[in-house]
Amino acid sequence: QKEVEQDPGPLSVPEGAIVSLNCTYSNSAFQYFMWYRQYSRKGPELLMYTYSSGNKEDGRFTAQVDKSSKYISLFIRDSQPSDSATYLCAMSPSGGYQKVTFGTGTKLQVIP
Amino acid sequence: DGGITQSPKYLFRKEGQNVTLSCEQNLNHDAMYWYRQDPGQGLRLIYYSQIVNDFQKGDIAEGYSVSREKKESFPLTVTSAQKNPTAFYLCASRSTGPSPLHFGNGTRLTVT
Repeated sequence: QKEVEQDPGPLSVPEGAIVSLNCTYSNSAFQYFMWYRQYSRKGPELLMYTYSSGNKEDGRFTAQVDKSSKYISLFIRDSQPSDSATYLCAMSPSGGYQKVTFGTGTKLQVIP
Repeated sequence: DGGITQSPKYLFRKEGQNVTLSCEQNLNHDAMYWYRQDPGQGLRLIYYSQIVNDFQKGDIAEGYSVSREKKESFPLTVTSAQKNPTAFYLCASRSTGPSPLHFGNGTRLTVT
């Protein structure tokens, strides 16, 4: 079993929809959680960075962490065609130089 | 602007040849990382370095080598011993303390 599980998709939604992207994990030591957006043939771009349980909002993006269920989510409101990309979740036990473990990514397509 | 520069963007080599991928950062980050990305497998850690003149193997270090002679630079050599070198290679860096990874835009290596 992988430490981090992420549905690869693809996920297709109409423009303006609310998108929900999710990851589950098995390592209870994970404390820091990240979401990255990756366009084709580009490097991952950091979207959200959160610590422990709770919600964090930044513009149209909301990151949610439920440590009791070992489940994290990224919500995208008012989705745009420019949001079409692969979304990677990532997590690490604590800060500093601890190893970061990635999900395999979910491919999202927002249809105009 | 601060960032991570990887070069070249595309690289083609014949089987049996060593090849070196460049990674330079001007973010003043102490830690640098090399990941390999293959379809459906997520990001896998090759090598990482926390300080100059020191580096550690990641999960898939066989067939790769690195050096860290300067804080800003962390080149990766893909040797002829790497059995399946064709992949997308990503360099990342991270500050001290709790902080996320920041990525370059990658090098696509094709070996035939």
